Amino acid sequence: QSVLTQPPSASGTPGQRVTISCSGSSSTIGSNIVNWYQQLPGTAPKLLIYSNNQRPSGVPDRFSGSKSGTSASLAISGLQSEDEADYYCAAWDDSLNGWVFGGGTKLTVL
Amino acid sequence: EVQLLESGGGLEQPGGSLRLSCATSGFTFSNYDMNWVRQAPGKGLEWVSVISASGGTTYYADSVKGRFTISRDNSKNTLYLQMNSLRVEDTAVYYCAKDQRTGIMTKNNCFDPWGQGTLVTVSS
Repeated sequence: QSVLTQPPSASGTPGQRVTISCSGSSSTIGSNIVNWYQQLPGTAPKLLIYSNNQRPSGVPDRFSGSKSGTSASLAISGLQSEDEADYYCAAWDDSLNGWVFGGGTKLTVL
Repeated sequence: EVQLLESGGGLEQPGGSLRLSCATSGFTFSNYDMNWVRQAPGKGLEWVSVISASGGTTYYADSVKGRFTISRDNSKNTLYLQMNSLRVEDTAVYYCAKDQRTGIMTKNNCFDPWGQGTLVTVSS
């Protein structure tokens, strides 16, 4: 069981907006920044959102992140078929002195 | 271009040892904290360990503490993971990942980029 809780799956049709939640605690998301990673099938993970809501260069502005209290969310607008991937949230855990990940959300574009 | 290339994976018996390497290029290696993250077959991501830029500070996941040792050779731009007392549950693809920014605490950083990974299989 992961320290951060994500829904195992999400889906949407092309053009729709989908959100993926990530729930933590006071020692994780409540105290620290949240990062999001995208893992396309058969590839290494890639940074998608950092410091709660910052996009690395090259990441489309269709992707956005937010954080409130001990929860965070990733939103994808204008859904495209190439967005079909696994998405992971991550945060530092002050109690464990290490990074923790969510269990991952598999996004399906219908 | 930043490049991270893991090697050293393979098949090992329970109780055995392996040493993974991550050769890097395209950035000033000695300025950045570095991490190992693993992914068991069909499972999610699990952070394993981080080492500071100087090598003086390390942290480990509880699941590997006392069995794995992270280290680095800044003269060779290479990161290592010595894995001892291997267990079946250590079977995974092991990725090395660079902290995105230099000069900030690792807890405020992120992993960017990641290597392509090396597969470690622990089985009798």
